[in-house]
Amino acid sequence: GENVEQHPSTLSVQEGDSAVIKCTYSDSASNYFPWYKQELGKRPQLIIDIRSNVGEKKDQRIAVTLNKTAKHFSLHITETQPEDSAVYFCAASRGSTLGRLYFGRGTQLTVWP
Amino acid sequence: GAVVSQHPSWVICKSGTSVKIECRSLDFQATTMFWYRQFPKQSLMLMATSNEGSKATYEQGVEKDKFLINHASLTLSTLTVTSAHPEDSSFYICSAREAGTVGNEKLFFGSGTQLSVL
Repeated sequence: GENVEQHPSTLSVQEGDSAVIKCTYSDSASNYFPWYKQELGKRPQLIIDIRSNVGEKKDQRIAVTLNKTAKHFSLHITETQPEDSAVYFCAASRGSTLGRLYFGRGTQLTVWP
Repeated sequence: GAVVSQHPSWVICKSGTSVKIECRSLDFQATTMFWYRQFPKQSLMLMATSNEGSKATYEQGVEKDKFLINHASLTLSTLTVTSAHPEDSSFYICSAREAGTVGNEKLFFGSGTQLSVL
């Protein structure tokens, strides 16, 4: 099955700085890569996703890049704010319709004011 | 986004009893739902895929008879943890796939159920 590795496990940044979280995947057939933000005891919230037919996607302060050849994708958060503090999960899925998601181990992001 | 409701949000039960968790898509039809398990400070582990009107598909290592899944309607899937034991204590969370044009579907998560088995 798919194996998703995520780094770093913890990340601390100063407010206003950028944060980057990286993931790699093993299944070359994976074609959908979402990122979720989860606050303590809450459900994961989809913040951005990318499909394998594009290399980059941006939504305001959040961007995701995908390198299919190297099988890695990254989350970039610019101008971080304390409310960005949470656990972020990357995931991968394959198939023409959205199927089973395989998650990375998560990154605890802390943004210091 | 679409809303997925999950109940109960937390449950405490005695060892040996069974617990049922419900996952509902409130404003859309979900032919497919997914069940995950999450241990404290760890990732979400996919347990099974729940298909409306057919048997669930379980991930390797997940006991079918232990975790019974029923998807009787387009808006409801249930997970029953049978003969629960302390090691089954975990955060269980469902997700539902909202249909869209091919390549544009989205997954939405329920709020999760914290199960504690005494």
